[in-house]
Amino acid sequence: EADIYQTPRYLVIGTGKKITLECSQTMGHDKMYWYQQDPGMELHLIHYSYGVNSTEKGDLSSESTVSRIRTEHFPLTLESARPSHTSQYLCASSDGGEKLFFGSGTQLSVL
Amino acid sequence: GENVEQHPSTLSVQEGDSAVIKCTYSDSASNYFPWYKQELGKRPQLIIDIRSNVGEKKDQRIAVTLNKTAKHFSLHITETQPEDSAVYFCAARGTAGNKLTFGGGTRVLVKP
Repeated sequence: EADIYQTPRYLVIGTGKKITLECSQTMGHDKMYWYQQDPGMELHLIHYSYGVNSTEKGDLSSESTVSRIRTEHFPLTLESARPSHTSQYLCASSDGGEKLFFGSGTQLSVL
Repeated sequence: GENVEQHPSTLSVQEGDSAVIKCTYSDSASNYFPWYKQELGKRPQLIIDIRSNVGEKKDQRIAVTLNKTAKHFSLHITETQPEDSAVYFCAARGTAGNKLTFGGGTRVLVKP
């Protein structure tokens, strides 16, 4: 079934660790996005990509980085996790239209 | 860039009553305005959207209105049901980078 998948669903990690949040979509969408969201709160765009080898920073400053080597894959990496990075990270994709399809999210807790 | 403000932040209604959420935007060139619903612990999902060349759009119990002159748009839910309880986000697509900017969200609670 065509969908957008995020792993892991939950991640608890210690300060200073390097982590990568995975996001893959099987819908053939060119555009992909990463949002940061505290539970039930505003969605903040932190990164986006309009195609392979294209990445841009979003409206909210983030210490994370992203890559887009394949159309279907858009991983997000934190080189050194800190407690301030604790949040939910939502990946999304869209086709030529405007509708965003969101993944189920990764809830990150940094101790 | 675009700035979207959403009100109220919380809304409690009795089952069967109507709910109205309002959003204002800053970029007069914005041309696309979607609404997303996020149930507790779930991913946001698009429920309705409107483009700048249309003033109103309706889909069963939900409707959206757009006033381009005043730069505001609203979500109307009629005959509310407990399953309408969720956080609702408005958004606007501005001209900078063709990105969506979301409002702060409205937590709607429908009391049976």
